[in-house]
Amino acid sequence: ETGVTQTPRHLVMGMTNKKSLKCEQHLGHNAMYWYKQSAKKPLELMFVYNFKEQTENNSVPSRFSPECPNSSHLFLHLHTLQPEDSALYLCASSGQGISSSYNSPLHFGNGTRLTVT
Amino acid sequence: GNSVTQMEGPVTLSEEAFLTINCTYTATGYPSLFWYVQYPGEGLQLLLKATKADDKGSNKGFEATYRKETTSFHLEKGSVQVSDSAVYFCALVYGGSQGNLIFGKGTKLSVKP
Repeated sequence: ETGVTQTPRHLVMGMTNKKSLKCEQHLGHNAMYWYKQSAKKPLELMFVYNFKEQTENNSVPSRFSPECPNSSHLFLHLHTLQPEDSALYLCASSGQGISSSYNSPLHFGNGTRLTVT
Repeated sequence: GNSVTQMEGPVTLSEEAFLTINCTYTATGYPSLFWYVQYPGEGLQLLLKATKADDKGSNKGFEATYRKETTSFHLEKGSVQVSDSAVYFCALVYGGSQGNLIFGKGTKLSVKP
């Protein structure tokens, strides 16, 4: 149990489908993140939420839409994806807060393996 | 800009061999440095960290020393086990980007019995 739970573990979807990835953390953290992990590439930070407010959006296409209803939950809504979006999507959280150290380590979930057909 | 470069894998070793995975970084100022590990089918876990020059991070027999003069943070272990087979990521974080870790590409380690 990592403290960060992601569902589903695996997802196969067509390019016209709409689906959502869910992330939940029970660590009392204030910051949550979405990363994309593709083969032979560095992890790509997609979105950062701090106290439920989005503070980073690293030029992610609009077919990925994040939602953070509270500090414990984070969603990634997917629609009209492309095959190149197939990857492992990792959620993470940290004790990052406005007054916290920048050096708080990340706690990752086990990821959702997404395949777009 | 800030960046991390780590040695290309995969690295294949026999059990009880000595491990070194090289990592160098480029950053202005004084970043904190991390090693994360990803076991098969799992997310990343923090393995060790160092927050200032000459600090040594250690955990589970792994060590890495923050070398400012060579801008390096090489990961070492004296005697690897099959259970150490995983992908290892070097990373840095620099104040001002609120926990935005910059990762290397990862190095896959396979340990054979």
